Amino acid sequence: TQLLEQSPQFLSIQEGENLTVYCNSSSVFSSLQWYRQEPGEGPVLLVTVVTGGEVKKLKRLTFQFGDARKDSSLHITAAQPGDTGLYLCAGNTGTASKLTFGTGTRLQVTL
Amino acid sequence: KAGVTQTPRYLIKTRGQQVTLSCSPISGHRSVSWYQQTPGQGLQFLFEYFSETQRNKGNFPGRFSGRQFSNSRSEMNVSTLELGDSALYLCASSPSAVAGGITQYFGPGTRLTVL
Repeated sequence: TQLLEQSPQFLSIQEGENLTVYCNSSSVFSSLQWYRQEPGEGPVLLVTVVTGGEVKKLKRLTFQFGDARKDSSLHITAAQPGDTGLYLCAGNTGTASKLTFGTGTRLQVTL
Repeated sequence: KAGVTQTPRYLIKTRGQQVTLSCSPISGHRSVSWYQQTPGQGLQFLFEYFSETQRNKGNFPGRFSGRQFSNSRSEMNVSTLELGDSALYLCASSPSAVAGGITQYFGPGTRLTVL
């Protein structure tokens, strides 16, 4: 069974602070995605990374895929209240159609 | 382009009943996957359909089943409902024609409560 562990589980910070969320596995993934989910809604795709060592930036969000494609990180610079939500990483292997989701990181950003 | 739509959004059933949930994928997407999300287990994969065929299946009992129609719309059915089936059921569609499609777009989910 492929497992994706995310840390931290919960994070409460003030507006303007920086943070990093980690997603780790003992399995190798062919691709990894990050989603943000708000209460009562489905996850919204933020980014997909496919190459080991790849770094992608989305405004204040920076995503990195580990060289061995077993881990990933999400860094948010100068967090804003609008960043509040559940952040989920999800990976898939080459021939499987399913996504294995991480345990999730619940982020709260206050004024 | 319209997103993934799911109906109904909310559903309340009692133990022993059965339920059918519906999902309409993004136009042009042929792959539809279903996931169950609970506070304790997180998001877990149920099954995936492509061109009306089940292409992949998660580790759920046979009470959970699904199907896909020729227009790519999908339904999932849960029979003999149990309290533990209370969850948010999410549908996701993917444009990929190849198994292992790496980008999935989720609908808003159906919140099922079993009393």
